Amino acid sequence: KQEVTQIPAALSVPEGENLVLNCSFTDSAIYNLQWFRQDPGKGLTSLLLIQSSQREQTSGRLNASLDKSSGRSTLYIAASQPGDSATYLCAVRKGGTASKLTFGTGTRLQVTL
Amino acid sequence: DGGITQSPKYLFRKEGQNVTLSCEQNLNHDAMYWYRQDPGQGLRLIYYSQIVNDFQKGDIAEGYSVSREKKESFPLTVTSAQKNPTAFYLCASSIDRKTEQFFGPGTRLTVL
Repeated sequence: KQEVTQIPAALSVPEGENLVLNCSFTDSAIYNLQWFRQDPGKGLTSLLLIQSSQREQTSGRLNASLDKSSGRSTLYIAASQPGDSATYLCAVRKGGTASKLTFGTGTRLQVTL
Repeated sequence: DGGITQSPKYLFRKEGQNVTLSCEQNLNHDAMYWYRQDPGQGLRLIYYSQIVNDFQKGDIAEGYSVSREKKESFPLTVTSAQKNPTAFYLCASSIDRKTEQFFGPGTRLTVL
């Protein structure tokens, strides 16, 4: 059974700092991995989708990497801003015919002035 | 604007009642999903549908039912058989079962 872990559960950084969020998964037979952002009481916003054949994806100040063999992904946020404060979730999609996403419990990020 | 809408935003249910949560998308996506989110837990899949008139149970389908009569719509009914329905419910859609999922704003259901 796939398990997804995100550490740390919460993180507080000063504005302008570069930071890395971690995601690990137990079954490396994944099809792709998706990073999301969730603001309190809101739905999820898709940030990046990285296919199993890719090593990384970039969008603006965000860079996601994937090391499938070691069961790890990182989300790098450059020059953090207070508006980046949110919960960040990673989810992996199983390979084969399954369409199910398995989610981690998220990292709650606070960027302070 | 293309997107996913969920209604209502807040819903209150009395013990023994069935309630239906609405999910509509105008993205022309074939696949649609329902998730449940509880504090301190990851999102869990309730049901998903890959195409009209077809749907499959997810990990926690007991006490829930769905229908997919139209491509745009995937309503979720929370029945009285669901023993602990208080949660945040999220609907999502994707072009097909393996592509990027996009989420609606959610419905918060509270049992009184």
